Amino acid sequence: GNSVTQMEGPVTLSEEAFLTINCTYTATGYPSLFWYVQYPGEGLQLLLKATKADDKGSNKGFEATYRKETTSFHLEKGSVQVSDSAVYFCALSPPAGTALIFGKGTTLSVSS
Amino acid sequence: EAGVAQSPRYKIIEKRQSVAFWCNPISGHATLYWYQQILGQGPKLLIQFQNNGVVDDSQLPKDRFSAERLKGVDSTLKIQPAKLEDSAVYLCASSLAQGRTEAFFGQGTRLTVV
Repeated sequence: GNSVTQMEGPVTLSEEAFLTINCTYTATGYPSLFWYVQYPGEGLQLLLKATKADDKGSNKGFEATYRKETTSFHLEKGSVQVSDSAVYFCALSPPAGTALIFGKGTTLSVSS
Repeated sequence: EAGVAQSPRYKIIEKRQSVAFWCNPISGHATLYWYQQILGQGPKLLIQFQNNGVVDDSQLPKDRFSAERLKGVDSTLKIQPAKLEDSAVYLCASSLAQGRTEAFFGQGTRLTVV
């Protein structure tokens, strides 16, 4: 079946530190991959996406590369800010038309 | 472009009572989803509609949950009777099409069952 596994949090960093949140997936066929972010009290927002192998999604300084050989889609940012504090969800969209499947989420806390 | 609208934002009910949530998707989006997000977990799909037909309701507890999407636009999700374990955020999302595409989420309804 389809599933997403992401590193458990919380992740606690100082401002300007480097961020990596690991995400691996299991899927039938070739899914699209996504990172969503959820700020406190808000709904899920799409952060970035990649639709095929070796694609790199990027937005707001965040990047993730679709690695088919390692079935991974790790989220990275070179220098985090306090405003990046949120819960980050890795998700996949199977090609078969079924709904997004989410990981459990990773809480990021950035202090100044 | 208006986003996905949900109401109410918050609801507190006693166990065994009933509750209903409403969702209006982004205009033109044929696919609509209801997810349940329990505190500390990722969203879990309850039901997926394509226009006004059900695509997947395999994880919907049908003895107490029901959902409809009349006319292929707005949708309502109902719980009757509610249990304590139904306390969660209920998220509605919509997308242009099925498969390999992103979904756009509303702000959710936080349900507390006491």
